[in-house]
Amino acid sequence: NFMLTQPHSVSESPGKTVTISCTGSSGSIASNYVQWYQQRPGSAPTTVIFEDNQRPSGVPDRFSGSIDSSSNSASLTISGLRTEDEADYYCQSYDSANRGVFGGGTKLTVL
Amino acid sequence: QVQLVQSGAEVKKPGDSVKVSCKASGNTFTSFGFSWVRQAPGQGLEWMGWISAYYGDTNYAQNLQGRVTMTTDTSTSTVYLELRSLTSDDTAVYYCARVRSVTASKYGVDVWGQGTTVTVSS
Repeated sequence: NFMLTQPHSVSESPGKTVTISCTGSSGSIASNYVQWYQQRPGSAPTTVIFEDNQRPSGVPDRFSGSIDSSSNSASLTISGLRTEDEADYYCQSYDSANRGVFGGGTKLTVL
Repeated sequence: QVQLVQSGAEVKKPGDSVKVSCKASGNTFTSFGFSWVRQAPGQGLEWMGWISAYYGDTNYAQNLQGRVTMTTDTSTSTVYLELRSLTSDDTAVYYCARVRSVTASKYGVDVWGQGTTVTVSS
């Protein structure tokens, strides 16, 4: 079964840049779109990146997504960190049957 | 801005069924697909399946096959999730989400509903 692995937690200071990785277990992560979702405590998820590197309207360009085929991984980079960026972040893609697969989530602490 | 508004919280007993609705605003309902995602207390997100709002095609998670049905009502721009034979493991917040393709599930999600809490308890 296709799986996505994320670090359990990351932390960084305000104003800095952080990158969260999402590694695919098999196949090529580049063969299906990767999405990134932000979820603050007690709230529904929101999309910060869809289809590898696209931002929904309203998401600041401090958020960017990329794919690295050589490491079979996707990355979410957040620059100019703000305290309001503190949240859980989930990557999501699809398996060979086009069924959705989520990573386990990464807790971002901005300290 | 498109909004997805879900139905209210449900409390069910083991063995019951639950049907959750998700109403989309705007007039582009049949141009998209919709996925359902759930989150058990303190856990991560779990993909449950996808339905095309135009064709009615579905793609369900393997572990839910036989217990889940997703349907749409194009006259009211509403998507439904029905889950049968509930157990305590189905206690979760259920989210609908709009998928940017009407032909396949493997595209991006851009809008989320607010979530519906389903509690299964005897």
